[in-house]
Amino acid sequence: GESVGLHLPTLSVQEGDNSIINCAYSNSASDYFIWYKQESGKGPQFIIDIRSNMDKRQGQRVTVLLNKTVKHLSLQIAATQPGDSAVYFCAENIGGYSTLTFGKGTMLLVSP
Amino acid sequence: EAGVAQSPRYKIIEKRQSVAFWCNPISGHATLYWYQQILGQGPKLLIQFQNNGVVDDSQLPKDRFSAERLKGVDSTLKIQPAKLEDSAVYLCASSLRGQGAYEQYFGPGTRLTVT
Repeated sequence: GESVGLHLPTLSVQEGDNSIINCAYSNSASDYFIWYKQESGKGPQFIIDIRSNMDKRQGQRVTVLLNKTVKHLSLQIAATQPGDSAVYFCAENIGGYSTLTFGKGTMLLVSP
Repeated sequence: EAGVAQSPRYKIIEKRQSVAFWCNPISGHATLYWYQQILGQGPKLLIQFQNNGVVDDSQLPKDRFSAERLKGVDSTLKIQPAKLEDSAVYLCASSLRGQGAYEQYFGPGTRLTVT
């Protein structure tokens, strides 16, 4: 759901489960997307990226899916671990210089 | 490889005071960004430099915020005078080049509290 101020959408999972974090982006002209992970007190950390000419990209334990028809991006984390607990942001680039527009973020809580 | 360095990590000031933040990007990164992150929200770009030139400062409140990157390496961001709503984490990021949406590497941020 929508987040307002401090009320981030939260996904709670058990260790070992697969997690899916969703993001709706705003601009159909966006051609590059990144998922970032942000732990408390730290700056965002790059997880995975995808260009608009792709539908899917896989990394280590992570997969990003892009559906341009409905302007939707998802991050799948396999075998989620307690160390995956963080806030996850999607960001989009609307061409030209690498200016990123960040979404509101989703908090992932992984319990042992 | 050393990451993006920022200082100070924390700063508390009263409203109407001035404050400055410093950033040292990853060596060789031509593009430097300053973001403002209010609690519970995603980072919002304030200004983007390509070497020592400004590429995008459309969201920088220029009546009170200023930034410079004189020699194309380190950068400072200043707020003068500060308002209560400036309380946020100020993140610096750098990337190899501006065009083509290269991955941005973020520093740990400076948490500013304005009282």
